[in-house]
Amino acid sequence: KAGVTQTPRYLIKTRGQQVTLSCSPISGHRSVSWYQQTPGQGLQFLFEYFSETQRNKGNFPGRFSGRQFSNSRSEMNVSTLELGDSALYLCASSKETGVYEQYFGPGTRLTVT
Amino acid sequence: AQTVTQSQPEMSVQEAETVTLSCTYDTSESNYYLFWYKQPPSRQMILVIRQEAYKQQNATENRFSVNFQKAAKSFSLKISDSQLGDTAMYFCAFLPLNDMRFGAGTRLTVKP
Repeated sequence: KAGVTQTPRYLIKTRGQQVTLSCSPISGHRSVSWYQQTPGQGLQFLFEYFSETQRNKGNFPGRFSGRQFSNSRSEMNVSTLELGDSALYLCASSKETGVYEQYFGPGTRLTVT
Repeated sequence: AQTVTQSQPEMSVQEAETVTLSCTYDTSESNYYLFWYKQPPSRQMILVIRQEAYKQQNATENRFSVNFQKAAKSFSLKISDSQLGDTAMYFCAFLPLNDMRFGAGTRLTVKP
C-alpha cells in the first residue's frame, strides 16, 4: 500500500505571495491532518479534514486554510506569506477521525525569503 | 491544557546498550492514544510504537517497549540493543481527540 505523499517537496516563495501544498493520504484513509514543524515551535497542529469538512483547527491565523476533496486528497493554502511561515509542513492520514493512528508524509519544506 | 513534556533535549547511548526516553503528559481525558515517533535526519516521521490508554499492558515492538504509567501520566520509551540506525529525533505524541500534541523531542545519538 502506498504511503502518504506530499507535493511539492520543496518550495521557495517570497513574502506576500501565497502557496498551496498538496497531500494524498493512504488509500482508504479518510482523515487528513496538517502540522507545521519549526525548530523554535516544534510540531504544531494546523487542522484536520474528514469527509471534506474541517473537523478541528489549531491556533493559527486565518491566512492558513485548507480543504479536502471527495477522494480524500487535501490541500492547504497559506496566503500573504511571512518569513515566519518558513517551516516543514507535514501531512498525516488516518482511517477515521478521532483517536486513530496517524501516518505521516515526507513533508513539504517551505522557505519564505 | 493538554500538553506533552519531554525533559531530555538530547541523549546519547553506545551501540548495543539500552536507553530510556522520558515523556509526561497532562490531560483530563480518559480515552486517548500515546505514540512515539522517530524522525531520522532529513527523513520521514515514522511511528515507532503506540499505546492505548485503556490497555494496562505495556506495548512492545521488537527492541522498543514502553513503560506506561497512567496515574502518573508518564510514557517512557525503552530502546534495547541500540543500533546506529536508531539515531534520530524522537517525539512523544498524545492523541486525545482529533489533534495530536507533540513533545519538543529528544535527539538521540547512538555512538559506535
